[in-house]
Amino acid sequence: KNEVEQSPQNLTAQEGEFITINCSYSVGISALHWLQQHPGGGIVSLFMLSSGKKKHGRLIATINIQEKHSSLHITASHPRDSAVYICAVKKYSGGGADGLTFGKGTHLIIQP
Amino acid sequence: DTAVSQTPKYLVTQMGNDKSIKCEQNLGHDTMYWYKQDSKKFLKIMFSYNNKELIINETVPNRFSPKSPDKAHLNLHINSLELGDSAVYFCASSFSWDRGLDGYTFGSGTRLTVV
Repeated sequence: KNEVEQSPQNLTAQEGEFITINCSYSVGISALHWLQQHPGGGIVSLFMLSSGKKKHGRLIATINIQEKHSSLHITASHPRDSAVYICAVKKYSGGGADGLTFGKGTHLIIQP
Repeated sequence: DTAVSQTPKYLVTQMGNDKSIKCEQNLGHDTMYWYKQDSKKFLKIMFSYNNKELIINETVPNRFSPKSPDKAHLNLHINSLELGDSAVYFCASSFSWDRGLDGYTFGSGTRLTVV
């Protein structure tokens, strides 16, 4: 079982809908990242969270450390939001240089 | 432009060859990484490196080796390439975790095809 699980794997919605993508993890973490990968392949970091909630434009990310769960919300979704959204965690190991552990991604399609 | 830049963007090579992928960042980050994205688009850490430690994912074959001439560069050398090495390789950089700063940045990826 993957240490980071995302749901849903695929999501198709209509423009304007409120989108929620969920991420659960089974390890101790020091931070959680939400990443966006467009069809062209580039990966962009959207948020880094260690507690609470962050908002950037139409994107909102929340994390509940006790429940080991994070959500990414998109308000007023638009076709340009179509991408793969990836949840990734930095496992708490005490080291400074560890890489991220990734979920398998959620493929989001927003139809006009 | 401040960025993580990796070259080449595409690399097609024959089995058995040795190749390198270069990565440079001008963001002042102190930690750099190499990730592999397989055909199912799943990302896995290969190496992470700062000036204090190199952390190697134990599943990475020793044909893969990172080389860091300085804090801004982390190149990936691959010896005796195999068909299964075909994938997209992403370089990334960040501030080290214990500094508590955001700024995880990925390069645009190198699509390696071994024929």
